[in-house]
Amino acid sequence: SQQGEEDPQALSIQEGENATMNCSYKTSINNLQWYRQNSGRGLVHLILIRSNEREKHSGRLRVTLDTSKKSSSLLITASRAADTASYFCATDITSGTYKYIFGTGTRLKVLA
Amino acid sequence: KAGVTQTPRYLIKTRGQQVTLSCSPISGHRSVSWYQQTPGQGLQFLFEYFSETQRNKGNFPGRFSGRQFSNSRSEMNVSTLELGDSALYLCASKGQETQYFGPGTRLLVL
Repeated sequence: SQQGEEDPQALSIQEGENATMNCSYKTSINNLQWYRQNSGRGLVHLILIRSNEREKHSGRLRVTLDTSKKSSSLLITASRAADTASYFCATDITSGTYKYIFGTGTRLKVLA
Repeated sequence: KAGVTQTPRYLIKTRGQQVTLSCSPISGHRSVSWYQQTPGQGLQFLFEYFSETQRNKGNFPGRFSGRQFSNSRSEMNVSTLELGDSALYLCASKGQETQYFGPGTRLLVL
């Protein structure tokens, strides 16, 4: 299975609610990044968290990283319809040369 | 700064043909990576180029190849196209830590 696996695969919430999605990975990482993709378009970088960081905030986004559990979570607070998209985590692994490995993504639908 | 640009945005080819996709990274970025995205397989890493050298390669057949020019622009070539090559091909450029993606080229193989 893939290095990064997001959970849940799909999430449907009402506008104003919080959305939480999780990412698990298998090998040691340098950093982990979250991306958003709208309907088959390019990926937009949201936030990067380094392996020595535990939590990071950016606007309505909060990311946590637990390297002992090899997992990360992305929290979107006060969601909006415009947040409807697929969210991916990507790990920059430490073994070998640089390579990003993407998870399968969480499809978030925010209902107005 | 201008973002990552990819051309063409859409492409229709037939089986057996070859295709070349182009990517212009963000100014100053020397690393360019290519990914294939399909509904069934998700986002899969193809290869990465850094300063005109292939630095990393994913698990794709030799029909997939790429190159990078001295101005960091990159091209990806797929020869002898198969129906399964229909996908969104994404290019990403990287500065220090973060990859920035282009809008992608959607390839349809008939």
